[in-house]
Amino acid sequence: GESVGLHLPTLSVQEGDNSIINCAYSNSASDYFIWYKQESGKGPQFIIDIRSNMDKRQGQRVTVLLNKTVKHLSLQIAATQPGDSAVYFCAENRGSNFNKFYFGSGTKLNVKP
Amino acid sequence: DADVTQTPRNRITKTGKRIMLECSQTKGHDRMYWYRQDPGLGLQLIYYSFDVKDINKGEISDGYSVSRQAQAKFSLSLESAIPNQTALYFCATSDPRTGLAANEQFFGPGTRLTVL
Repeated sequence: GESVGLHLPTLSVQEGDNSIINCAYSNSASDYFIWYKQESGKGPQFIIDIRSNMDKRQGQRVTVLLNKTVKHLSLQIAATQPGDSAVYFCAENRGSNFNKFYFGSGTKLNVKP
Repeated sequence: DADVTQTPRNRITKTGKRIMLECSQTKGHDRMYWYRQDPGLGLQLIYYSFDVKDINKGEISDGYSVSRQAQAKFSLSLESAIPNQTALYFCATSDPRTGLAANEQFFGPGTRLTVL
């Protein structure tokens, strides 16, 4: 069946190191993806997005890579900080009008001081 | 995000009771959504609305209904709550004309619902 999922449910990194969070998708027609960050007790917050006509997009300390050949995207966080500790979700657009986003189950990022 | 508020934040109820969760937004967005989040699972779309006269089912609409009373308000009802509806519920808004990305969704703080 189709799915949006994550390879690792929990990732622990040392403060200052780079983090890489992965996401696999199986719908080759998906044309748009978003990464969200969810801190404990809060709703998800937008981090960065990427369209399927791109393979890389950079933001502030974050980079998203998209590999359509293997249906995989990743979120890279540079110089990870304690404030980056959260659950990270990828969301995949499957709707014709961006009305149907499918969310992965999330990866919990723990940043060790 | 204080621009999207949900009430109540926590609710414990019994099987068979009718429950309404409310969402209000001051962002002026036309699009609003209701999701549920279960432990270890991603967000699942229950219903969405693109304007006051527009209501659409999401992935898991069975057992739920919604009302879009105004642009700023979108309510989710459980007509007869059952234990497997115990979850964290999120309301979200979006506007393709604004936001960091055209399709960014702004989420409320969530409502934790427990059905005994």
